[in-house]
Amino acid sequence: EAQVTQNPRYLITVTGKKLTVTCSQNMNHEYMSWYRQDPGLGLRQIYYSMNVEVTDKGDVPEGYKVSRKEKRNFPLILESPSPNQTSLYFCASSFGQNEQFFGPGTRLTVL
Amino acid sequence: EDQVTQSPEALRLQEGESSSLNCSYTVSGLRGLFWYRQDPGKGPEFLFTLYSAGEEKEKERLKATLTKKESFLHITAPKPEDSATYLCAVRVDSGTYKYIFGTGTRLKVLA
Repeated sequence: EAQVTQNPRYLITVTGKKLTVTCSQNMNHEYMSWYRQDPGLGLRQIYYSMNVEVTDKGDVPEGYKVSRKEKRNFPLILESPSPNQTSLYFCASSFGQNEQFFGPGTRLTVL
Repeated sequence: EDQVTQSPEALRLQEGESSSLNCSYTVSGLRGLFWYRQDPGKGPEFLFTLYSAGEEKEKERLKATLTKKESFLHITAPKPEDSATYLCAVRVDSGTYKYIFGTGTRLKVLA
């Protein structure tokens, strides 16, 4: 089944404790992206990748890191999480610059 | 500044009562307008892509249209299962993979 998977789905952590949210797609898509979704603000793009080893900032990259060492994986790294990074996170991928396929989301709470 | 605005924020319809959702945009260079449906607790699901003014796409009870300033998602004779949040997104700048999402319209269809 073609899909985008994210892990973990739910995470509660404390300020400053490094964490990684994994994202994997099995559709051989070149393009991948991370978003955060907050009430009243909608989906905002954090980082995107147009191919292996090619990443760039979206609208809200501060406090996040990404890497794209393999085509299928695009992990999101929070080196020192803060409470303002509490949010619902989505990973997405696409073939070319067409419609995006979204993962199921990761709900992160930073205390 | 590139911007996407959706209206109304929320909409309640009786089953069978047709209506339209609006997505207005101001962007420097439109490279595609996308409509997604999002159910509670899930990732957005692709509905339509529109690329040029005058273009229309249809799928079951949904029809999307595009002008130079806005897009409409027309819902004809909606059913309760059409209840969801509908998101509009634009892709700007052909050299990047940047997307801007609106904040969505929460649609509730009552039986």
